[in-house]
Amino acid sequence: DAMVIQNPRYQVTQFGKPVTLSCSQTLNHNVMYWYQQKSSQAPKLLFHYYDKDFNNEADTPDNFQSRRPNTSFCFLDIRSPGLGDAAMYLCATSRVGAGGPYEQYFGPGTRLTVT
Amino acid sequence: RKEVEQDPGPFNVPEGATVAFNCTYSNSASQSFFWYRQDCRKEPKLLMSVYSSGNEDGRFTAQLNRASQYISLLIRDSKLSDSATYLCVGGSSASKIIFGSGTRLSIRP
Repeated sequence: DAMVIQNPRYQVTQFGKPVTLSCSQTLNHNVMYWYQQKSSQAPKLLFHYYDKDFNNEADTPDNFQSRRPNTSFCFLDIRSPGLGDAAMYLCATSRVGAGGPYEQYFGPGTRLTVT
Repeated sequence: RKEVEQDPGPFNVPEGATVAFNCTYSNSASQSFFWYRQDCRKEPKLLMSVYSSGNEDGRFTAQLNRASQYISLLIRDSKLSDSATYLCVGGSSASKIIFGSGTRLSIRP
């Protein structure tokens, strides 16, 4: 059974047209992450939620926003997509405890195309 | 210097060979380490967690050397299905999980 679900799997949007990607989890993990991955590159962390606390990476453009209305769901909003935002967007979850972070579980990703 | 560094490869080895990857990290506060495999156009999938000095799972062995700050992954008796990109990850907290750029492995018949 899928534990981290992302919708849609493929998204085509027009330049400048806002788009929302969604992620849900059945693991009840307290941390949810959003990554951007471009071809032949490592996943790049955009931001993460630790429970309700939002943590933005310093180099994440303002064009990217996120919402986490409850433990299970997290959304990535791209306000004005540019051609350079075409990528795979990966959602991941993790539990955190004493001794450092635990392993992350990734969703299948949403492949975003910007025309 | 990158916080987590890997040899990008590609490693091209024959089926049945033993192959080893190394990964170095610069943050001495890192506590948790992981190896993920990622197939083309798919999400990363956890291969092994490395919390102490090492871990073994079938044909896969991971070792951690905190003094030298490196993690290794050994794959024995490699299969065609092992062809993938292997990502080394180090973490010190929920907000500090760093991915290496990955090592590409190709197993040839």
